[in-house]
Amino acid sequence: EPEVTQTPSHQVTQMGQEVILRCVPISNHLYFYWYRQILGQKVEFLVSFYNNEISEKSEIFDDQFSVERPDGSNFTLKIRSTKLEDSAMYFCASSEAPRNYGYTFGSGTRLTVV
Amino acid sequence: GEDVEQSLFLSVREGDSSVINCTYTDSSSTYLYWYKQEPGAGLQLLTYIFSNMDMKQDQRLTVLLNKKDKHLSLRIADTQTGDSAIYFCAEIPMNTGFQKLVFGTGTRLLVSP
Repeated sequence: EPEVTQTPSHQVTQMGQEVILRCVPISNHLYFYWYRQILGQKVEFLVSFYNNEISEKSEIFDDQFSVERPDGSNFTLKIRSTKLEDSAMYFCASSEAPRNYGYTFGSGTRLTVV
Repeated sequence: GEDVEQSLFLSVREGDSSVINCTYTDSSSTYLYWYKQEPGAGLQLLTYIFSNMDMKQDQRLTVLLNKKDKHLSLRIADTQTGDSAIYFCAEIPMNTGFQKLVFGTGTRLLVSP
C-alpha cells in the first residue's frame, strides 16, 4: 500500500538553528499538509499546500516556518530559528481528495530543540 | 469554533467491547473520521463515515453518527491488547476551503489482559 515517508524519524537541534523536515507524499496526491503534536497534546494543523502554493495556514505557522515542494516529489517544512517550544512530533500528510478519502499520514519526525 | 471533544481515557478488559465517544461542532461536515495512533507511531486512518449515514460497520469496528446531537462514536468489539492506542476523531468542516482536518483531543484506550 502506498505510504507517506518522513525523514528523519528523530531530529535533535540547538535552539536558534534551522531545521528542515522532509516528506515524500504519495505520488498521485494533490493536497499536502503539515501537522504537529506537542507531547501529550492535540494534533494541530500547521499548513496546507495545493497547486504549488500555501492554501491555508494556522496561527502557529508564523514567519519562522516555510514549506516547499522543490522537485515534484519532496515536500519540506523548514523552521528558520528553532525555539524550545517547537519541540514536537511533526506529521506530514497527503490526500487525493480529502473529503472523500481522508488523509494518509507519515509516521512523523520527532523534533527536540535543546 | 472548531473544537472536537473526546473523553481522555478508557480502560477495558481484553474481550470486552470499547466505546469511544466524540462530539464535533460543525454540523455541515461531510465526512467524519477515526484515526488510531500507537505509541511512537503516526496516525492511521481506521474508518470514516459519510454524514448521511447513521452507522457503518467494518469488521470489529462500528461507527455510529447522531447528526442532531453532533455525536460520533467508535465501538470496537472483542477488544484486544493490540488495540491499546490513542484514538482521534476528526472532521473536515465545510468552511475550510482546502479541506483542513480538525482533530479531537484523543482518547487513550488501555486494554488489559
